[in-house]
Amino acid sequence: EVQLVQSGAEVKKPGESLKISCKGSGYSFTSYWIGWVRQMPGKGLEWMGIIYPGDSDTRYSPSFQGQVTISADKSISTAYLQWSSLKASDTAMYYCARLGQPLLGWFDPWGQGTLVTVSS
Amino acid sequence: EIVLTQSPGTLSLSPGERATLSCRASQSVSSSYLAWYQQKPGQAPRLLIYGASSRATGIPDRFSGSGSGTDFTLTISRLEPEDFAVYYCQQYGSSPTTFGQGTKVEIK
Repeated sequence: EVQLVQSGAEVKKPGESLKISCKGSGYSFTSYWIGWVRQMPGKGLEWMGIIYPGDSDTRYSPSFQGQVTISADKSISTAYLQWSSLKASDTAMYYCARLGQPLLGWFDPWGQGTLVTVSS
Repeated sequence: EIVLTQSPGTLSLSPGERATLSCRASQSVSSSYLAWYQQKPGQAPRLLIYGASSRATGIPDRFSGSGSGTDFTLTISRLEPEDFAVYYCQQYGSSPTTFGQGTKVEIK
């Protein structure tokens, strides 16, 4: 079974750094792009960026370029999303998902989500 | 970027009724690269349809997708209790990929 399992919920203060993870299993992790999607409380879905774990080729949405860093460690089949300095407005649920085709595709399956809360 | 507008915002229906959800794009979506997702409270989205009309693995045949160009439709032929949820469309024909704002299907 293809599965993406994300790290647990985080509570952080403004200005702190954070790295959340997404571990893939049941398929060749290096052969599919992985994307990250933000969902702010009570809102819709926003694409943040994608990474190809095979060579770490990374693309960002213009809205998130410079705000986050996406990376991957193919040796442990894990993708990451990180912030160097969190803001209250980063409070959201973050999902990773596998792309159904290279670069631009549908997302399937999805991880269970990681809730990030940023509050002083 | 392509803006997707979903309508209606909320659809109030009874179990057994037919649901018709619309997704309209601000520009033509190339190759009918449009997907639909279902999201229930507290859960991650689940892929229903990709390529405008292809059902994802394990999706019941009461879900169907249609359309091309700028107008796409998700139809649920007979609503089951588990179908009451929020539905999102996504275009992946041009970068950046974008999502609609969602349609909530609620029990009348």
